[in-house]
Amino acid sequence: DAGVTQSPTHLIKTRGQQVTLRCSPKSGHDTVSWYQQALGQGPQFIFQYYEEEERQRGNFPDRFSGHQFPNYSSELNVNALLLGDSALYLCASSFWGLAGGLNTGELFFGEGSRLTVL
Amino acid sequence: QKEVEQNSGPLSVPEGAIASLNCTYSDRGSQSFFWYRQYSGKSPELIMFIYSNGDKEDGRFTAQLNKASQYVSLLIRDSQPSDSATYLCAGTGTYKYIFGTGTRLKVLA
Repeated sequence: DAGVTQSPTHLIKTRGQQVTLRCSPKSGHDTVSWYQQALGQGPQFIFQYYEEEERQRGNFPDRFSGHQFPNYSSELNVNALLLGDSALYLCASSFWGLAGGLNTGELFFGEGSRLTVL
Repeated sequence: QKEVEQNSGPLSVPEGAIASLNCTYSDRGSQSFFWYRQYSGKSPELIMFIYSNGDKEDGRFTAQLNKASQYVSLLIRDSQPSDSATYLCAGTGTYKYIFGTGTRLKVLA
């Protein structure tokens, strides 16, 4: 059973460029969340996708956008990259239907995409 | 005010001792709490979760939840050097999971 897969694992960009990160959720999962983890910090919630819609968004600017496809996979796009966007970007999947829709489902993380902005 | 707070550490314990990791949260609406372990350069991996008041045991790990005090803890018995990692506490919001900054644990051989 494949877990959460992310690509690419590492990438280097320069300021002002755009980046797309990809995620395939764990088999059976329908919800994808994206997190940004800066060095020495906990993961910060970017947004969550469910049924191909952005369901909730954290405190991130509009430069951060995403998409979920019918097969539940997801993309995170970041435009006009800043030095401060350098971080580990984590995709996490879960099954919303677990526990009758209550948000108690386990969150499974991919290995992350490490973005360096120069 | 941070929604989930943890002492960043490092918390150093000798091999074989009990490591006690603590977490407080501000959102009384949080339903479930999760403990993740994260090795340096790796992604978080789930250790255990708890949603009822009291203790929950899984092998060497015990999670404790006190909703009245808004307090969650993780005890690691018989700590091993391989337990050295950052431990993240997370609580659930409406849809999102809110993470603390993590506590770095060092188990000394």
